[in-house]
Amino acid sequence: ETGVTQSPTHLIKTRGQQVTLRCSSQSGHNTVSWYQQALGQGPQFIFQYYREEENGRGNFPPRFSGLQFPNYSSELNVNALELDDSALYLCASSLALEGETQYFGPGTRLLVL
Amino acid sequence: DQQVKQNSPSLSVQEGRISILNCDYTNSMFDYFLWYKKYPAEGPTFLISISSIKDKNEDGRFTVFLNKSAKHLSLHIVPSQPGDSAVYFCAASGHGSARQLTFGSGTQLTVLP
Repeated sequence: ETGVTQSPTHLIKTRGQQVTLRCSSQSGHNTVSWYQQALGQGPQFIFQYYREEENGRGNFPPRFSGLQFPNYSSELNVNALELDDSALYLCASSLALEGETQYFGPGTRLLVL
Repeated sequence: DQQVKQNSPSLSVQEGRISILNCDYTNSMFDYFLWYKKYPAEGPTFLISISSIKDKNEDGRFTVFLNKSAKHLSLHIVPSQPGDSAVYFCAASGHGSARQLTFGSGTQLTVLP
């Protein structure tokens, strides 16, 4: 069984740039959620994708957007990067309609200068 | 407005003794609760969960207790081992299509040999 994988592991961008982060869900899982974890805080929900459509969104501006592909992998896109976007971005996968346990990938560390 | 709170940022316990990590929540719509463990440079690892229809769930050395009237849950680790040293996050989810997880800010557990 393959776990959740994310790429890249680390990324450095400058303010105003755009970034794309990628996630492959655990085999058999059809739902992907994205979280942002700032230093010293717990992860915060960004949005969730199910059947290639956004299935819920947290308190994040529209410059945070995403995609889910037919193989259930997903992308998180952030436009017009701000310094406060520096954080660990976590992807989690789960199997819809079979409980609420989400399994996390190792994360992508984004630094915005 | 923090809906899930972990009021102890850190906890130190002697190897072999019991570790008790606490979590409080305010949203009465939460009906599923989880504990995750996180090592540096890794994503959160799922430990144990409990549904609101139960008051206790056990898995090996880990037991989670839920007190719905007090809106409080705790994670007991017995016996504690040095490898348990990590940040522990409490998370909750409630009704809604996304079943997003709301996390506490974490407790750093250090198990001393």
